Parts: sequence; structure tokens; C-alpha cells
Amino acid sequence: SQTIHQWPATLVQPVGSPLSLECTVEGTSNPNLYWYRQAAGRGLQLLFYSVGIGQISSEVPQNLSASRPQDRQFILSSKKLLLSDSGFYLCAWRPRGANEKLFFGSGTQLSVL
Amino acid sequence: AQTVTQSQPEMSVQEAETVTLSCTYDTSENNYYLFWYKQPPSRQMILVIRQEAYKQQNATENRFSVNFQKAAKSFSLKISDSQLGDTAMYFCAFMNDRGSTLGRLYFGRGTQLTVWP
Repeated sequence: SQTIHQWPATLVQPVGSPLSLECTVEGTSNPNLYWYRQAAGRGLQLLFYSVGIGQISSEVPQNLSASRPQDRQFILSSKKLLLSDSGFYLCAWRPRGANEKLFFGSGTQLSVL
Repeated sequence: AQTVTQSQPEMSVQEAETVTLSCTYDTSENNYYLFWYKQPPSRQMILVIRQEAYKQQNATENRFSVNFQKAAKSFSLKISDSQLGDTAMYFCAFMNDRGSTLGRLYFGRGTQLTVWP
């Protein structure tokens, strides 16, 4: 069966520090991968999605970047965190093909102080 | 751009009663999918129910059912026989049916549902 792993679960970082959040999917190949952010009191906003290795699409201009170095690995990064980067970050994956179901990881709560 | 509106920030219901959560959306697409996700205190996003826009029949999953009104662009969630474990934030979400953008979910701001004993 397919599983998605996301870590760390919580992270507290000072302003200006770098960020690296990792997400991996098991039990499938060539998935579509997504990074969402949930700000306090809001729904989820799509940040990045990837349809293959090295292929990244950005939804909104921001201080973050994403990379997909391996088929089932998706990384969210920042060189210098801002206070506004605080939020709950969720990784998600979708099977390749005409399948609209999206499966979410357990999320990372990022607090930038 | 697609927008999803949930006009009820908070709702409460007594255990075993029925509650309906509202959702409206705006799109120019004809084919799309609608979802209700549940986010309990653990913050795990859990799919509750999904509806394909080309299907007229309302989706049902056990105690959860939807009232899908395509012309009105309305997609409400009815929870019957509410249980304490239903306490969570509920998000309505929209996904269009175009291949290159399939998988992009547009979310409402959520409705916090509290079930009281």
C-alpha cells in the first residue's frame, strides 16, 4: 500500500535561517507531488506541484522553493525564513493517471520567530 | 480563478443530531470535482466525500451525504447521527478536470464543527 512520510512534525526557526522540509512517498511510482500551506484560520493554499523529477511549478511568488531530486521525494526549502513563512505545511501526492484523489501527509507546523 | 466560499466559520450540533455545512463555489468549468475534507485536532487532512460534477446523483458515504446543486454552484455537506469524533474543521474544496492542472485543490476557509454530548 502507498504511504506518505513528512518530517519534521514541528519546527521552530529564527528569522533569516534556512529551511528544509522533506516528503517521501512509498508504494507508488511517478506520482504527482504537491506542497500546500495552511495559514492560521485559512484553508490550504497550493505552493508548488511537480509532475516528475526536476519538474517544479510554482503557484505563488514567495520566499520558498521546491525541488524533486528523486521520483518519490519532494523538498521544500528557503534560504532565509521570514516571519510570514510561519504556518502548517502539508505534502500531498496523487497517483499518475486520471485520478483526482489527493492523499495528504501529516504536516509540519513551522514557527518562525 | 476558482473560488470556494464557506460562510459558516463555526457550527455546533448535539450528538446524534443532524447538521448541514454550506459551501458555494465559482467556476467557468463544466467538468470538475468537489470534496469535503475533515481536519481533526491532529491536523491530518482526511477525505470525507467527493462528488463528480457530471454526476447528478448526490454522493453518500455512510452518515455523510452531499446536496450538490450544479446550477446554483452549491455543495453542502450533511452529517447525520453526529458523533463526538466528528468534531473537526471541515473544508470544502474544488478541483478542475483539466489534465495539466488536475490535482490542484482550491479550498474554502473552513467550518469548525463542534459536536456536544
